[in-house]
Amino acid sequence: GIQVEQSPPDLILQEGANSTLRCNFSDSVNNLQWFHQNPWGQLINLFYIPSGTKQNGRLSATTVATERYSLLYISSSQTTDSGVYFCAALPYSSASKIIFGSGTRLSIRP
Amino acid sequence: NAGVTQTPKFRVLKTGQSMTLLCAQDMNHEYMYWYRQDPGMGLRLIHYSVGEGTTAKGEVPDGYNVSRLKKQNFLLGLESAAPSQTSVYFCASSPGWNQPQHFGDGTRLSIL
Repeated sequence: GIQVEQSPPDLILQEGANSTLRCNFSDSVNNLQWFHQNPWGQLINLFYIPSGTKQNGRLSATTVATERYSLLYISSSQTTDSGVYFCAALPYSSASKIIFGSGTRLSIRP
Repeated sequence: NAGVTQTPKFRVLKTGQSMTLLCAQDMNHEYMYWYRQDPGMGLRLIHYSVGEGTTAKGEVPDGYNVSRLKKQNFLLGLESAAPSQTSVYFCASSPGWNQPQHFGDGTRLSIL
């Protein structure tokens, strides 16, 4: 089945810094989502981005489907950005069975 | 608009006990899903439903059963709980198979 790999696994930054999180997937996908799991465990939708680029405030995401990767950019980090960021892919070969990566744990220091 | 609501939020069971987790969504979504999240890992799909009266197996279905008698509700059952089923369980829903999934806040389940 499809493999979804995220890097780096952990990232510690000072408030105000920028960061790039990467998600690689081993097979063609129908869609790609990015989620933020906050310190209380809630999963929050960030982007639904099967291809192209989207922006929402300080966050933006780019998926290059032909090269099988997606990037999440966070600019001017704030302490509230801390948590775990997951990407999840829906492969062409398995309708409805979305596969999650293992996440990037981001810690923003004040 | 509550979105996706999971009941209960926390539960402690003894090995061998049974229980049912309830997921309710008010967005009229066709698709619903149950996931488990273990420490340091992403979510893994247990079962899912593509509409009222239908269910299908996900990545880790063993030891669980599900039912979707009403479109807005998706139930996850543990018939004989085992310590390996200690986890955080998330429910999600989506309008269609290739649409964004919306998640509940999770149920933290401990099996002693």
